[in-house]
Amino acid sequence: DAKTTQPTSMDCAEGRAANLPCNHSTISGNEYVYWYRQIHSQGPQYIIHGLKNNETNEMASLIITEDRKSSTLILPHATLRDTAVYYCISLRGSTLGRLYFGRGTQLTVWP
Amino acid sequence: DTAVSQTPKYLVTQMGNDKSIKCEQNLGHDTMYWYKQDSKKFLKIMFSYNNKELIINETVPNRFSPKSPDKAHLNLHINSLELGDSAVYFCASSQDQENTEAFFGQGTRLTVV
Repeated sequence: DAKTTQPTSMDCAEGRAANLPCNHSTISGNEYVYWYRQIHSQGPQYIIHGLKNNETNEMASLIITEDRKSSTLILPHATLRDTAVYYCISLRGSTLGRLYFGRGTQLTVWP
Repeated sequence: DTAVSQTPKYLVTQMGNDKSIKCEQNLGHDTMYWYKQDSKKFLKIMFSYNNKELIINETVPNRFSPKSPDKAHLNLHINSLELGDSAVYFCASSQDQENTEAFFGQGTRLTVV
C-alpha cells in the first residue's frame, strides 16, 4: 500500500471550509484513497473514499488530482465538532483489514 | 443503539495477568477486526474474522487469542500481560471483506502496571 504524507496540523475558523491535503505519489492504479478521522478518545470514523473521480457525501468532498498523486478532503462548513485527527490512507479496497493509520493531520476548528 | 460496543472501556491490570476484552456489533456485518493503537497513535490491524473464521492474523504474539462465538461477537483474550501490551484496542466491523467502510468501537484503554 502506498505511503501517504499529510501536514501535522491545521486550523480552520468555524463555518469556513477546511481543506486537508494528502500526498500519495506512489499510489498504484488499484489503490483507493480513504479518509478517516478520530475525535479525541473515540474510535476512528469513516469519512469518504475514492479511486479516480471526485466524491461527495453528507460529510465531506474528496478531490483527487488527475495524476492521483495527491488529494484534498474538504469539509465545506467546519464546526467545532469537526476538531479531530484526520487520516489519509491508500489501500486496495479488498484489503480493508490492512488499514494502518499513520500520524494524520490534527485539525482544530476555532470559534 | 451503539453499533459496535466494547467492554470494558478502561482496564488496569498487573503484569502476568490474563484478561479479556469483549466486542459486539449489531449491524449484521460479516467481518470483524481488532486493532491496536499505540502511544504514538499509530493504529495497526491485529486480527480479522469473517463469518467466525480467522482471515487475518498479523504478527501478534500467541498470548493474544481472538474468539468469535458468532459473527456478531469477536472477543480478545490476552494471556500473561506485559507492560508493552498497554495501548488502546479497537474493535471494528464491516459488511464483508470487500466492503470499504469500517465501523469502530469506542476503544478499550489497557494499562499494564
